[in-house]
Amino acid sequence: QKEVEQNSGPLSVPEGAIASLNCTYSDRVSQSFFWYRQYSGKSPELIMSIYSNGDKEDGRFTAQLNKASQYVSLLIRDSQPSDSATYLCAVMPNTGNQFYFGTGTSLTVIP
Amino acid sequence: DAGVTQSPTHLIKTRGQHVTLRCSPISGHKSVSWYQQVLGQGPQFIFQYYEKEERGRGNFPDRFSARQFPNYSSELNVNALLLGDSALYLCASSLLGDQPQHFGDGTRLSIL
Repeated sequence: QKEVEQNSGPLSVPEGAIASLNCTYSDRVSQSFFWYRQYSGKSPELIMSIYSNGDKEDGRFTAQLNKASQYVSLLIRDSQPSDSATYLCAVMPNTGNQFYFGTGTSLTVIP
Repeated sequence: DAGVTQSPTHLIKTRGQHVTLRCSPISGHKSVSWYQQVLGQGPQFIFQYYEKEERGRGNFPDRFSARQFPNYSSELNVNALLLGDSALYLCASSLLGDQPQHFGDGTRLSIL
């Protein structure tokens, strides 16, 4: 079983819609969760970090964490064509010495 | 402030050769991690160093080694290169080992 699983997509949404990206993880004691955006040919860029159950909002982005269900999601409101990228979910276990990344979900926002 | 810098940006090697990749962390960051990313996959953890000590090692063969210097910069060394080592090698730094990591632009390594 993979440590972190994401639907590889591709996910397509129209401009202005809400994009919902999901991630599940296997290590029940994981403490830290991160979302990265990676444009084609570029390196990952940190979008959000979340450590506690519930929602965390930053501009158009909302991260949601449910530790009981081992589930973390990212919502992008008012999606823009510039949001088209691969979104990577990363989980840090309790040991705190490495990130486990999912394979990423490819998002395309259609103008 | 400068971000994480990696060198070189691109590298072409042949099978059996050795390669050294370099990374300078964000100023003030004491932790450096190395990742390998092949096309279509997420980054795979190779090493983490904090205060010049190895704190974590991923599932990579002994051909892969790394070190961190007193100024917190780091090198990743790969010996006896194989075709399968062709990938984007990413360096990430953080204030502490369990903090959000910030990535450099990566070194794209091609093995012929």
